[in-house]
Amino acid sequence: AQTVTQSQPEMSVQEAETVTLSCTYDTSESDYYLFWYKQPPSRQMILVIRQEAYKQQNATENRFSVNFQKAAKSFSLKISDSQLGDAAMYFCAYRSARVFSNQFYFGTGTSLTVIP
Amino acid sequence: DTEVTQTPKHLVMGMTNKKSLKCEQHMGHRAMYWYKQKAKKPPELMFVYSYEKLSINESVPSRFSPECPNSSLLNLHLHALQPEDSALYLCASSQAWGLGDSGANVLTFGAGSRLTVL
Repeated sequence: AQTVTQSQPEMSVQEAETVTLSCTYDTSESDYYLFWYKQPPSRQMILVIRQEAYKQQNATENRFSVNFQKAAKSFSLKISDSQLGDAAMYFCAYRSARVFSNQFYFGTGTSLTVIP
Repeated sequence: DTEVTQTPKHLVMGMTNKKSLKCEQHMGHRAMYWYKQKAKKPPELMFVYSYEKLSINESVPSRFSPECPNSSLLNLHLHALQPEDSALYLCASSQAWGLGDSGANVLTFGAGSRLTVL
């Protein structure tokens, strides 16, 4: 099975600053999808950003961007201009691109605190 | 409609009770999931239904019984639970296969049902 590792259990950032959350994964597959999910204290898990492995260009969504290094199996999330509402648990996740593969693998999460 | 709706939001039950959690989506997703989540931990996969058939059961105790009556609904029947089963139960849905850049590969979560077993 694939494994997803988030080595930073907790991170903090000053409001308006930039923070990078790390994620590495282990797979023998060449085609897959990677995701960052956010779960605020209100608990709804929402998608922040996704990346297709066959795309070399890093995904961006407003203040959120990723640094996808396929050879290194690394998928970090950069949050720019951090806001108080960014405080949450962040989970990195992996999904195979194989047809009918319905297994999503999650990392252990990083708890992000935003300091006013 | 881009939502997964879960009811109830909160449930308190005794160890001898029988209750059910419900989940509904109208996004045309043909894969539906039950996850269990403890505080500050990642979601743990329990069951996956693909085209209304159980495709993954992660060795979940039989006191949890899933049911997928149709392509929009997913239930989790609870019976004789233990206090350690207290957790947030998340329902999610996705397209049943991963293809291209359609955005179909995304897992969409409901808000969860907070279960407390006394």
